[in-house]
Amino acid sequence: SYVLTQPPSVSVAPGKTARITCGGNNIGSKGVHWYQQKPGQAPVLVIYYDSDRPSGIPERFSGSNSGNTATLTISRVEAGDEADYYCQAWDSSSDHVVFGGGTKLTVL
Amino acid sequence: QVQLQESGPGLVKPSQTLSLTCTVSGGSISSGSYYWSWIRQPAGKGLEWIGRIYTSGSTNYNPSLKSRVTISVDTSKNQFSLKLSSVTAADTAVYYCAREPAVDRDWYFDLWGRGTLVTVSS
Repeated sequence: SYVLTQPPSVSVAPGKTARITCGGNNIGSKGVHWYQQKPGQAPVLVIYYDSDRPSGIPERFSGSNSGNTATLTISRVEAGDEADYYCQAWDSSSDHVVFGGGTKLTVL
Repeated sequence: QVQLQESGPGLVKPSQTLSLTCTVSGGSISSGSYYWSWIRQPAGKGLEWIGRIYTSGSTNYNPSLKSRVTISVDTSKNQFSLKLSSVTAADTAVYYCAREPAVDRDWYFDLWGRGTLVTVSS
């Protein structure tokens, strides 16, 4: 089955740029989506179809996807961005949803 | 605005069947524009998709759970439900219901319920 690989943790200072990667075989051919999950809360969609932002999501959140890596980029990081981030794609070979293992973003 | 709310027993005994319901409020589950999914998350771990249903009744399930899962929809009550049979402690998790826009491909979840904790224990 299709596997999405994320780094367990990323740390960044406030005001800097955080990049969270999601690796998968030829992931660039798929639409990748990103979710933010804060402790005790449900996930929230922050990026869909690689780089689209739902309404209400700050422009600081952006995404890209090419080759074997999709990337979520958070610019001018704030303390409130500290959360777990999950990438997600559809495994067309077996018709089911796949999530990455999640990345904990720590704001130093 | 549309909201999703999970409900069901918080404690299930091993080998029994876990049953949860998701109630859709603020909109019709029959609009035909969405799929309706179940996702779970064990404590301290990542997200696992369980399966989904369209209002026509068509379903897709995670291959790893397919033999134990049934998802159904009751449009008259604006609800969809999850049944997971033969549960073990490994099925202890927060269970979320979620909505997917019915696009052509590469579906995503644009709305989630708050989640409900289900513990499997005797």
